Amino acid sequence: QQQVKQSPQSLIVQKGGISIINCAYENTAFDYFPWYQQFPGKGPALLIAIRPDVSEKKEGRFTISFNKSAKQFSLHIMDSQPGDSATYFCAASIGTGRRALTFGSGTRLQVQP
Amino acid sequence: DGGITQSPKYLFRKEGQNVTLSCEQNLNHDAMYWYRQDPGQGLRLIYYSQIVNDFQKGDIAEGYSVSREKKESFPLTVTSAQKNPTAFYLCASRLLQGARNTGELFFGEGSRLTVL
Repeated sequence: QQQVKQSPQSLIVQKGGISIINCAYENTAFDYFPWYQQFPGKGPALLIAIRPDVSEKKEGRFTISFNKSAKQFSLHIMDSQPGDSATYFCAASIGTGRRALTFGSGTRLQVQP
Repeated sequence: DGGITQSPKYLFRKEGQNVTLSCEQNLNHDAMYWYRQDPGQGLRLIYYSQIVNDFQKGDIAEGYSVSREKKESFPLTVTSAQKNPTAFYLCASRLLQGARNTGELFFGEGSRLTVL
């Protein structure tokens, strides 16, 4: 059962453009929504995370938008750079404690110079 | 430097052989996790452990086994019963309690297993 659906599977963006990756979840008990960034041959690393009590969180060029009623959240990368080329995973969990994260299927982003 | 160390980075196995992947962390994290990564399927949870000498099955535990005899160590054995073991395996850990608990999952650099 795929509880977190992520799209698109791959994305090509020109340098300076906006990259948008979307995720939808099914379990309404989820209340922690992080995004992870993974470079080839490396483990994922936390990029940014949001709780459902806010609709948007921004850190530098990265923004999470959250729509609780639609059970969707998205990652926006403004002014995309070639160094942003990586695979991005959305995830969800119930709390930040004992429950394991459920990950989306990943989006491979290529930012062309 | 604190972190998670996985070994070996690359491993080749013949069909019918068991292999054990090592995962060690010096972050004093409570919980440890094993995920399997396949192209287009994201990260799928194999096993996790919240405390020493206790662990739970994840979504795809069949054909795998784990142990948690020490807080800092969580080895994964891929048994011959695992039908399609070729994959990239990721170990992770996180704090479960305390003021430093942000929910962040810290990952190792992974082990790539290829069955010949």
